[in-house]
Amino acid sequence: NAGVTQTPKFQVLKTGQSMTLQCAQDMNHNSMYWYRQDPGMGLRLIYYSASEGTTDKGEVPNGYNVSRLNKREFSLRLESAAPSQTSVYFCASRKTVNTEAFFGQGTRLTVV
Amino acid sequence: QKEVEQNSGPLSVPEGAIASLNCTYSDRGSQSFFWYRQYSGKSPELIMSIYSNGDKEDGRFTAQLNKASQYVSLLIRDSQPSDSATYLCAVGSNNAGNMLTFGGGTRLMVKP
Repeated sequence: NAGVTQTPKFQVLKTGQSMTLQCAQDMNHNSMYWYRQDPGMGLRLIYYSASEGTTDKGEVPNGYNVSRLNKREFSLRLESAAPSQTSVYFCASRKTVNTEAFFGQGTRLTVV
Repeated sequence: QKEVEQNSGPLSVPEGAIASLNCTYSDRGSQSFFWYRQYSGKSPELIMSIYSNGDKEDGRFTAQLNKASQYVSLLIRDSQPSDSATYLCAVGSNNAGNMLTFGGGTRLMVKP
């Protein structure tokens, strides 16, 4: 099993460009999450999807949109990238509300 | 105020000592608690989960939960240099629609 797979691993964008970060899990998990992590800081929740067909805002949703394409896939879109969105982005998934989350390998995004 | 608080550290302990990591949370409806370890440049990986008041032991690790005080801790016995990492506390709440909120992390340094 691959677990949680994120693409791409690295990306450099110019200010104002758009891009979509992809995340897929093969563990039949119901819930999926997008976090960002800035240097020396913990994980801040951007958006999450408790189950297929639902999405909700987290702590820092501004500047992002998400799509829960199906049970396996949860994408994060930056419509107009800004330097403040330079960060490492992690996707995570978990089976149910009280189970542990598993993480992808992260996407290191730089906006110049 | 962040909902899950941790001392950022660094916490420095000598090899063989006990490292004590602490976490407080604000949502009294929280029902699941997790400790993750994150090495520099890597994804978080689960160490322990705890759901009930009291202690839970797994090898050199002990998680402690006190819901009345809204406090969860992680003890690492016989600390090794390989334990040097950032430790993230995560809290799950059914009240918040399956959100999983992380603290800022505590950086642990174990000195030989």
